[in-house]
Amino acid sequence: DAGITQSPRHKVTETGTPVTLRCHQTENHRYMYWYRQDPGHGLRLIHYSYGVKDTDKGEVSDGYSVSRSKTEDFLLTLESATSSQTSVYFCAISESPTGEREKLFFGSGTQLSVL
Amino acid sequence: GDSVTQMEGPVTLSEEAFLTINCTYTATGYPSLFWYVQYPGEGLQLLLKATKADDKGSNKGFEATYRKETTSFHLEKGSVQVSDSAVYFCALRRGSTLGRLYFGRGTQLTVWP
Repeated sequence: DAGITQSPRHKVTETGTPVTLRCHQTENHRYMYWYRQDPGHGLRLIHYSYGVKDTDKGEVSDGYSVSRSKTEDFLLTLESATSSQTSVYFCAISESPTGEREKLFFGSGTQLSVL
Repeated sequence: GDSVTQMEGPVTLSEEAFLTINCTYTATGYPSLFWYVQYPGEGLQLLLKATKADDKGSNKGFEATYRKETTSFHLEKGSVQVSDSAVYFCALRRGSTLGRLYFGRGTQLTVWP
């Protein structure tokens, strides 16, 4: 299994509070992604990174920010959590975004509840 | 925009039954297509992929053929097992994007002994 650790695994927070989720990898992969999973929607990309300090928005980036100061860590921040951000958040990593070695490795997920 | 449509679940089968999960897509150009599987309490895992028309991806007895003429990538398995019970996601990546996948909604499969 790819070495991906998400923390925390579960979190309950209140509306309006900031929340930071962490993804840590030991594979030295260049590409990292944050997805959210909601019933009826599958997985949707929030933000992704293609290198240290290089990030870009996905399809549902409003209300989220990210940072990547080291290859191994990719942080997702909800600046002011809302109930619509209650979801399961998955981090994924990839050695190559295309070609034969194209493959996303997913972490075990973080269940976030915003009350 | 790019999108993936999967058949609605849940799908319930008896062991050794034949499985088909339909997937169609909308995308410009020539996307790469994927099937990912999610077992209970875990993250997704790549099951198989195909990168060009008429390619067949296969793994663990599962197969899917990239059909450009019908914009489809249906997942099949000839004889399912209880251990195949999981959620299956079809996904696409448009050629120029950096590993950004568009996922379908997922199809829950339950196999009974």
